[in-house]
Amino acid sequence: EDQVTQSPEALRLQEGESSSLNCSYTVSGLRGLFWYRQDPGKGPEFLFTLYSAGEEKEKERLKATLTKKESFLHITAPKPEDSATYLCAVQARSNTGKLIFGQGTTLQVKP
Amino acid sequence: GAGVSQTPSNKVTEKGKYVELRCDPISGHTALYWYRQSLGQGPEFLIYFQGTGAADDSGLPNDRFFAVRPEGSVSTLKIQRTERGDSAVYLCASMAGYGTEAFFGQGTRLTVV
Repeated sequence: EDQVTQSPEALRLQEGESSSLNCSYTVSGLRGLFWYRQDPGKGPEFLFTLYSAGEEKEKERLKATLTKKESFLHITAPKPEDSATYLCAVQARSNTGKLIFGQGTTLQVKP
Repeated sequence: GAGVSQTPSNKVTEKGKYVELRCDPISGHTALYWYRQSLGQGPEFLIYFQGTGAADDSGLPNDRFFAVRPEGSVSTLKIQRTERGDSAVYLCASMAGYGTEAFFGQGTRLTVV
């Protein structure tokens, strides 16, 4: 069964304090791994797609990496506006394109 | 439209009533998905449309849930005989094609009292 587990569930950082969020997955043939950001009361907002182990993508203070079993979202020198829930999802080659999500990591960055 | 639009934003209904939730996807996107998100959890897949047909409805929890997309654009999620356990945020997403990123609407918060 395809499964995604994110850790930690919640993370509190001081502004400028870098850290990483983890996404561990099991999937029957990975088509893509997706990172989304979700603000309270809003739908998930797309951040990155990673397709193969060793791939990395960056956007401002965020960098996503992928191995065969997990993905990391590295946050460098975070700012309060980075506070949100970060969701990881996988898409298997064998299915209809549906995303299997983890439960998310809620990040709070204090000034 | 510029993004995925969902209406209403909030819906409060009494237990046992029927509700309809609407999704207007990004123009030209052939793939449309419905997800359900409970508090503190990630979105959970419900149903997938490719064009007008439901290509995968394996996530629908029971036969009280039904969805249509008659013209291949707007979709409606229908819930009969609502129960308090149906309370959640219902999210719609559309994709330009298989393997591309999904764009989500802001969701409909359904509360069954």
